[in-house]
Amino acid sequence: DAGVIQSPRHEVTEMGQEVTLRCKPISGHNSLFWYRQTMMRGLELLIYFNNNVPIDDSGMPEDRFSAKMPNASFSTLKIQPSEPRDSAVYFCASRIRPYEPQHFGDGTRLSIL
Amino acid sequence: SQQGEEDPQALSIQEGENATMNCSYKTSINNLQWYRQNSGRGLVHLILIRSNEREKHSGRLRVTLDTSKKSSSLLITASRAADTASYFCATGDTGGGNKLTFGTGTQLKVEL
Repeated sequence: DAGVIQSPRHEVTEMGQEVTLRCKPISGHNSLFWYRQTMMRGLELLIYFNNNVPIDDSGMPEDRFSAKMPNASFSTLKIQPSEPRDSAVYFCASRIRPYEPQHFGDGTRLSIL
Repeated sequence: SQQGEEDPQALSIQEGENATMNCSYKTSINNLQWYRQNSGRGLVHLILIRSNEREKHSGRLRVTLDTSKKSSSLLITASRAADTASYFCATGDTGGGNKLTFGTGTQLKVEL
């Protein structure tokens, strides 16, 4: 079975550029999560969707970050404009239903110069 | 914010020994989960224990949960070099969405 697929795996770009991260959840999973992992702050939940609807975006750092889920098989996390402090590994995870385990992609390592 | 605090932060053992990691948390939970992360990879779910359970086993893994002390432990028996990874506890809240809040992690190194 295909797991959660994220692209790109690595992204290096200059400050001020727009960055788009992509995620394909596991088919049939109803919830999708975006996390950010850094050494300083650990793994933080940014936003999550149930049935393609954003439920909780309280973890989104600021208006420069936005996320969409236009259909059940695709989500994007966009940063515009990007800043060096956005450098981190961004993970997408999906889950079949509440109170069940989450399945993670291998992440996008983002470096903003 | 980090709900779970894990102890120790790092652990180095010899192959064949047992490894124990502890997790403490602060608020009421519906369940507690343990995940493993290999270097450069995503997190992999290991085991889930619900708030009304006290102990759970899966292969070489044993998890305990003490809700009165708000703590959990993960025991890996007969460790192998392939167990080298970071281990995270994650608490699932009691809300309808059951969001997870991850701990700070324990880096386990199993040496040959």
